[in-house]
Amino acid sequence: GAVVSQHPSWVICKSGTSVKIECRSLDFQATTMFWYRQFPKQSLMLMATSNEGSKATYEQGVEKDKFLINHASLTLSTLTVTSAHPEDSSFYICSARGLAGGNEQYFGPGTRLTVT
Amino acid sequence: AQSVTQPDIHITVSEGASLELRCNYSYGATPYLFWYVQSPGQGLQLLLKYFSGDTLVQGIKGFEAEFKRSQSSFNLRKPSVHWSDAAEYFCAVGSGGYNKLIFGAGTRLAVHP
Repeated sequence: GAVVSQHPSWVICKSGTSVKIECRSLDFQATTMFWYRQFPKQSLMLMATSNEGSKATYEQGVEKDKFLINHASLTLSTLTVTSAHPEDSSFYICSARGLAGGNEQYFGPGTRLTVT
Repeated sequence: AQSVTQPDIHITVSEGASLELRCNYSYGATPYLFWYVQSPGQGLQLLLKYFSGDTLVQGIKGFEAEFKRSQSSFNLRKPSVHWSDAAEYFCAVGSGGYNKLIFGAGTRLAVHP
């Protein structure tokens, strides 16, 4: 099946610094990638949708200047949390969708971000 | 507004027992419904989906779900639970197929030997 990886799986950063999370589709071309945020014991909340080569579309309430999304190739999307603060600590999950596989979203294993 | 409710935060069943996880949705049109399972260290895996047609949907790992429009429900069932089924289960509704997914809060399943 289609595999999506995320790197790193776990990261700790200091308040005020920026951190980049990578999402890769390993065996298919992802025309669309999605970024979700999951708080402990809560659901996944869609943050933004990105199509390869286009600007990301952010959900209401998500700060686009804080959560920078780049989808420069069909196999890689990145999420950069800029000037991170403790309240940005969360579990970030990406998913990827290609033209094959019935348009299904395939999810990465997630990245745990802790801001100290 | 679209929403998904999973009333049970945590369920514990004995191995071999039957299982039903509840899911209710709010959606204006015909919904696209999904059940995902999340295990630690792994990405969400699609168990099954309903787009149209037969309201009883068969999925992987022996799971099935039934779409009931009159009750706005899409409950997940399994006749005999295995210890490896212990995980977090999410119900989701999508607009335009997989275009945008709205997830429920999840139900954590524990399985006793």
